[in-house]
Amino acid sequence: GQNIDQPTEMTATEGAIVQINCTYQTSGFNGLFWYQQHAGEAPTFLSYNVLDGLEEKGRFSSFLSRSKGYSYLLLKELQMKDSASYLCAVRDLDTDKLIFGTGTRLQVFP
Amino acid sequence: EAGVTQSPTHLIKTRGQQATLRCSPISGHTSVYWYQQALGLGLQFLLWYDEGEERNRGNFPPRFSGRQFPNYSSELNVNALELEDSALYLCASSLEVSGADTQYFGPGTRLTVL
Repeated sequence: GQNIDQPTEMTATEGAIVQINCTYQTSGFNGLFWYQQHAGEAPTFLSYNVLDGLEEKGRFSSFLSRSKGYSYLLLKELQMKDSASYLCAVRDLDTDKLIFGTGTRLQVFP
Repeated sequence: EAGVTQSPTHLIKTRGQQATLRCSPISGHTSVYWYQQALGLGLQFLLWYDEGEERNRGNFPPRFSGRQFPNYSSELNVNALELEDSALYLCASSLEVSGADTQYFGPGTRLTVL
Protein backbone atom coordinates (compact mmCIF):
# COMPACT_ATOMS: atom_id res chain seq x y z
CA GLY A 1 0.00 0.00 0.00
CA GLN A 2 0.91 3.66 -0.10
CA ASN A 3 0.93 5.86 2.97
CA ILE A 4 2.44 9.25 3.77
CA ASP A 5 2.34 10.52 7.36
CA GLN A 6 3.02 14.04 8.57
CA PRO A 7 2.01 15.91 11.73
CA THR A 8 -1.16 17.89 11.18
CA GLU A 9 -0.09 21.10 12.84
CA MET A 10 3.02 22.70 14.33
CA THR A 11 3.75 26.06 15.90
CA ALA A 12 7.02 27.90 16.27
CA THR A 13 8.41 31.32 17.11
CA GLU A 14 9.92 33.83 14.69
CA GLY A 15 13.70 33.31 14.44
CA ALA A 16 13.53 29.72 15.68
CA ILE A 17 14.23 26.41 13.88
CA VAL A 18 11.51 23.88 13.14
CA GLN A 19 11.70 20.33 11.79
CA ILE A 20 8.73 18.83 9.95
CA ASN A 21 8.86 15.05 9.71
CA CYS A 22 7.44 12.79 7.03
CA THR A 23 7.32 9.00 7.00
CA TYR A 24 6.25 7.03 4.00
CA GLN A 25 5.40 3.56 2.82
CA THR A 26 5.25 2.94 -0.92
CA SER A 27 5.62 -0.13 -3.07
CA GLY A 28 8.49 1.53 -4.91
CA PHE A 29 10.37 4.77 -4.27
CA ASN A 30 11.57 7.21 -6.87
CA GLY A 31 12.10 10.49 -5.06
CA LEU A 32 10.60 12.67 -2.36
CA PHE A 33 9.41 16.25 -2.79
CA TRP A 34 8.56 19.00 -0.35
CA TYR A 35 6.12 21.75 -1.34
CA GLN A 36 4.98 24.89 0.47
CA GLN A 37 1.36 25.95 0.17
CA HIS A 38 0.05 29.22 1.55
CA ALA A 39 -3.67 29.34 2.26
CA GLY A 40 -5.67 29.71 -0.94
CA GLU A 41 -2.61 29.43 -3.15
CA ALA A 42 -0.94 26.75 -5.26
CA PRO A 43 1.81 24.55 -3.84
CA THR A 44 5.30 25.78 -4.68
CA PHE A 45 8.29 23.46 -5.02
CA LEU A 46 10.82 23.55 -2.20
CA SER A 47 13.10 20.52 -2.49
CA TYR A 48 13.71 17.12 -4.03
CA ASN A 49 15.59 14.17 -2.51
CA VAL A 50 16.28 10.86 -4.18
CA LEU A 51 19.51 9.83 -2.42
CA ASP A 52 20.09 9.57 1.32
CA GLY A 53 21.40 12.66 3.00
CA LEU A 54 20.82 16.34 3.47
CA GLU A 55 20.03 18.85 0.72
CA GLU A 56 20.49 22.46 1.79
CA LYS A 57 18.90 25.40 0.05
CA GLY A 58 19.21 28.65 1.94
CA ARG A 59 17.10 28.63 5.10
CA PHE A 60 15.46 25.34 4.08
CA SER A 61 17.07 21.89 4.20
CA SER A 62 15.59 18.49 3.46
CA PHE A 63 16.84 15.13 4.67
CA LEU A 64 16.09 11.63 3.38
CA SER A 65 16.68 8.14 4.75
CA ARG A 66 15.38 5.59 2.28
CA SER A 67 16.02 2.61 4.56
CA LYS A 68 13.83 4.19 7.24
CA GLY A 69 11.21 5.61 4.89
CA TYR A 70 11.78 8.97 6.54
CA SER A 71 12.34 12.56 5.56
CA TYR A 72 12.34 15.89 7.30
CA LEU A 73 12.18 19.51 6.22
CA LEU A 74 14.23 21.87 8.37
CA LEU A 75 13.36 25.55 8.40
CA LYS A 76 15.85 27.92 10.01
CA GLU A 77 15.53 31.57 11.08
CA LEU A 78 11.77 31.33 10.83
CA GLN A 79 9.91 34.31 9.43
CA MET A 80 6.22 35.14 9.68
CA LYS A 81 5.85 34.47 5.95
CA ASP A 82 6.84 30.85 6.57
CA SER A 83 3.38 30.27 8.05
CA ALA A 84 1.94 27.83 5.52
CA SER A 85 1.20 24.18 4.92
CA TYR A 86 4.16 21.98 4.03
CA LEU A 87 3.39 19.00 1.82
CA CYS A 88 5.51 15.87 1.62
CA ALA A 89 5.10 13.89 -1.61
CA VAL A 90 6.65 10.63 -2.74
CA ARG A 91 6.93 9.46 -6.33
CA ASP A 92 5.94 5.82 -6.59
CA LEU A 93 8.40 3.92 -8.77
CA ASP A 94 5.84 1.50 -10.14
CA THR A 95 3.10 3.94 -11.09
CA ASP A 96 5.09 7.18 -11.46
CA LYS A 97 2.34 8.85 -9.43
CA LEU A 98 3.16 11.55 -6.90
CA ILE A 99 1.53 10.59 -3.61
CA PHE A 100 0.94 13.52 -1.26
CA GLY A 101 0.61 13.58 2.49
CA THR A 102 -2.15 15.69 4.00
CA GLY A 103 0.34 18.42 4.84
CA THR A 104 1.62 20.03 8.02
CA ARG A 105 0.18 23.42 8.86
CA LEU A 106 2.92 25.55 10.40
CA GLN A 107 2.07 28.72 12.32
CA VAL A 108 4.89 31.11 13.13
CA PHE A 109 4.27 33.51 16.00
CA PRO A 110 6.15 36.75 16.76
CA GLU B 1 8.58 32.69 -18.11
CA ALA B 2 4.85 32.27 -17.51
CA GLY B 3 3.81 29.66 -15.02
CA VAL B 4 0.98 27.17 -15.16
CA THR B 5 -2.33 28.93 -15.73
CA GLN B 6 -5.81 27.68 -14.94
CA SER B 7 -9.28 28.94 -15.69
CA PRO B 8 -11.71 29.79 -14.36
CA THR B 9 -10.53 30.85 -10.91
CA HIS B 10 -13.88 30.03 -9.37
CA LEU B 11 -16.76 27.94 -10.67
CA ILE B 12 -20.16 27.47 -9.11
CA LYS B 13 -22.41 24.68 -10.34
CA THR B 14 -25.43 22.80 -9.11
CA ARG B 15 -25.70 19.09 -8.47
CA GLY B 16 -26.04 17.07 -11.66
CA GLN B 17 -24.43 19.69 -13.90
CA GLN B 18 -21.18 19.33 -15.76
CA ALA B 19 -17.99 21.35 -15.14
CA THR B 20 -15.05 22.01 -17.45
CA LEU B 21 -11.76 23.21 -16.04
CA ARG B 22 -8.83 24.34 -18.18
CA CYS B 23 -5.06 24.31 -17.73
CA SER B 24 -2.14 25.66 -19.75
CA PRO B 25 1.25 24.19 -18.82
CA ILE B 26 4.55 25.98 -18.66
CA SER B 27 5.92 26.46 -22.16
CA GLY B 28 7.92 23.38 -23.14
CA HIS B 29 6.28 21.09 -20.59
CA THR B 30 4.55 18.08 -22.09
CA SER B 31 3.14 16.41 -18.98
CA VAL B 32 0.02 17.72 -17.25
CA TYR B 33 -1.36 16.43 -13.97
CA TRP B 34 -4.69 17.08 -12.28
CA TYR B 35 -5.26 16.91 -8.53
CA GLN B 36 -8.25 17.40 -6.26
CA GLN B 37 -7.72 19.09 -2.91
CA ALA B 38 -10.84 18.89 -0.77
CA LEU B 39 -11.04 20.84 2.47
CA GLY B 40 -8.90 19.23 5.13
CA LEU B 41 -7.58 16.54 2.81
CA GLY B 42 -4.31 16.16 0.98
CA LEU B 43 -3.88 16.45 -2.75
CA GLN B 44 -5.50 13.48 -4.43
CA PHE B 45 -4.12 12.48 -7.82
CA LEU B 46 -6.76 12.54 -10.55
CA LEU B 47 -5.23 12.27 -14.00
CA TRP B 48 -1.93 12.47 -15.82
CA TYR B 49 -1.52 13.34 -19.49
CA ASP B 50 1.64 13.26 -21.53
CA GLU B 51 2.01 13.89 -25.24
CA GLY B 52 -1.74 13.88 -25.67
CA GLU B 53 -2.36 10.54 -24.01
CA GLU B 54 -3.73 9.57 -20.63
CA ARG B 55 -0.85 7.89 -18.77
CA ASN B 56 -2.48 7.19 -15.46
CA ARG B 57 -5.53 7.98 -13.37
CA GLY B 58 -6.29 8.00 -9.69
CA ASN B 59 -9.10 6.30 -7.79
CA PHE B 60 -11.89 8.50 -9.11
CA PRO B 61 -15.09 7.46 -10.91
CA PRO B 62 -15.32 7.64 -14.71
CA ARG B 63 -17.35 10.84 -14.56
CA PHE B 64 -13.98 12.53 -14.01
CA SER B 65 -12.34 12.67 -17.41
CA GLY B 66 -10.13 14.91 -19.43
CA ARG B 67 -7.96 15.36 -22.43
CA GLN B 68 -4.75 16.98 -23.57
CA PHE B 69 -4.61 19.03 -26.72
CA PRO B 70 -1.79 19.19 -29.33
CA ASN B 71 -0.49 22.38 -27.69
CA TYR B 72 -0.27 20.41 -24.38
CA SER B 73 -3.03 22.38 -22.68
CA SER B 74 -5.56 20.24 -20.91
CA GLU B 75 -9.21 20.08 -19.86
CA LEU B 76 -10.73 18.33 -16.87
CA ASN B 77 -14.40 17.45 -17.19
CA VAL B 78 -16.55 16.43 -14.28
CA ASN B 79 -19.99 15.09 -15.20
CA ALA B 80 -23.04 14.59 -13.00
CA LEU B 81 -21.60 16.83 -10.28
CA GLU B 82 -22.08 15.79 -6.68
CA LEU B 83 -21.83 17.96 -3.57
CA GLU B 84 -18.61 16.22 -2.50
CA ASP B 85 -16.93 17.31 -5.74
CA SER B 86 -16.58 20.76 -4.19
CA ALA B 87 -12.83 21.27 -3.91
CA LEU B 88 -9.80 23.09 -5.24
CA TYR B 89 -8.67 21.50 -8.49
CA LEU B 90 -4.99 21.94 -9.16
CA CYS B 91 -3.16 21.42 -12.40
CA ALA B 92 0.58 20.84 -12.55
CA SER B 93 3.01 20.46 -15.40
CA SER B 94 6.46 18.97 -15.74
CA LEU B 95 9.15 19.01 -18.37
CA GLU B 96 9.42 15.28 -18.81
CA VAL B 97 8.38 12.06 -17.28
CA SER B 98 11.21 10.86 -15.10
CA GLY B 99 11.91 10.37 -11.45
CA ALA B 100 13.58 13.74 -11.12
CA ASP B 101 11.08 15.93 -12.88
CA THR B 102 9.45 18.54 -10.69
CA GLN B 103 5.78 19.32 -10.97
CA TYR B 104 4.92 23.02 -11.00
CA PHE B 105 1.41 23.93 -9.94
CA GLY B 106 -1.10 26.42 -11.24
CA PRO B 107 -3.24 28.61 -8.95
CA GLY B 108 -6.17 26.20 -9.09
CA THR B 109 -9.88 26.36 -9.84
CA ARG B 110 -12.18 26.38 -6.84
CA LEU B 111 -15.28 24.41 -7.74
CA THR B 112 -18.36 24.80 -5.58
CA VAL B 113 -21.29 22.45 -6.11
CA LEU B 114 -24.57 23.61 -4.62
